[in-house]
Amino acid sequence: SAVISQKPSRDICQRGTSLTIQCQVDSQVTMMFWYRQQPGQSLTLIATANQGSEATYESGFVIDKFPISRPNLTFSTLTVSNMSPEDSSIYLCSVGKGQGYYGYTFGSGTRLTVV
Amino acid sequence: AQKVTQAQTEISVVEKEDVTLDCVYETRDTTYYLFWYKQPPSGELVFLIRRNSFDEQNEISGRYSWNFQKSTSSFNFTITASQVVDSAVYFCALSERGYGGSQGNLIFGKGTKLSVKP
Repeated sequence: SAVISQKPSRDICQRGTSLTIQCQVDSQVTMMFWYRQQPGQSLTLIATANQGSEATYESGFVIDKFPISRPNLTFSTLTVSNMSPEDSSIYLCSVGKGQGYYGYTFGSGTRLTVV
Repeated sequence: AQKVTQAQTEISVVEKEDVTLDCVYETRDTTYYLFWYKQPPSGELVFLIRRNSFDEQNEISGRYSWNFQKSTSSFNFTITASQVVDSAVYFCALSERGYGGSQGNLIFGKGTKLSVKP
């Protein structure tokens, strides 16, 4: 199954700045999912990134705030823009293990603190 | 609409007790997949089990067992003889087929925080 390298693992950022999170997969995957986990909460889908097309955002998430790039089938980035303390969360990327299997692999997460 | 409900927010047990974590799901799809994940304090998500909608067989893996009942839309998880290392947040999750039959995303329940005391 796929292995995901997610960077950075954690960061402390000043409000008003932006942070770009990277996920590198060791195999080609069609769909990549980005989730947010606010402190003490569950995981919420931010967007689904398909290579070669615009990401599809869930209700409550907008491209200006969370721009996503998916330049190829093994890499994606999520940027958290103009950060505020409310953006302090764990951000995780995930990929499917392929049609017909329906398992998922997760990155190790990026623990973001905005001060 | 899809939904996963974990009614138990927190459970506290003493070591060696058995504990069951409840999960109820809603979906209109006939093909779907159910998952349990463990999230220890370190934060990473640990996969525990996947079950597809056509397979209602219960499963046992060591001290873990899962009871899938389509009639009640439930997928409950039991830990037998709990241990301190079982302390974590446990998430139940659902996935359906995505657009064009592709793999859809996971919909997570709110999680159950399990504390096992020595």
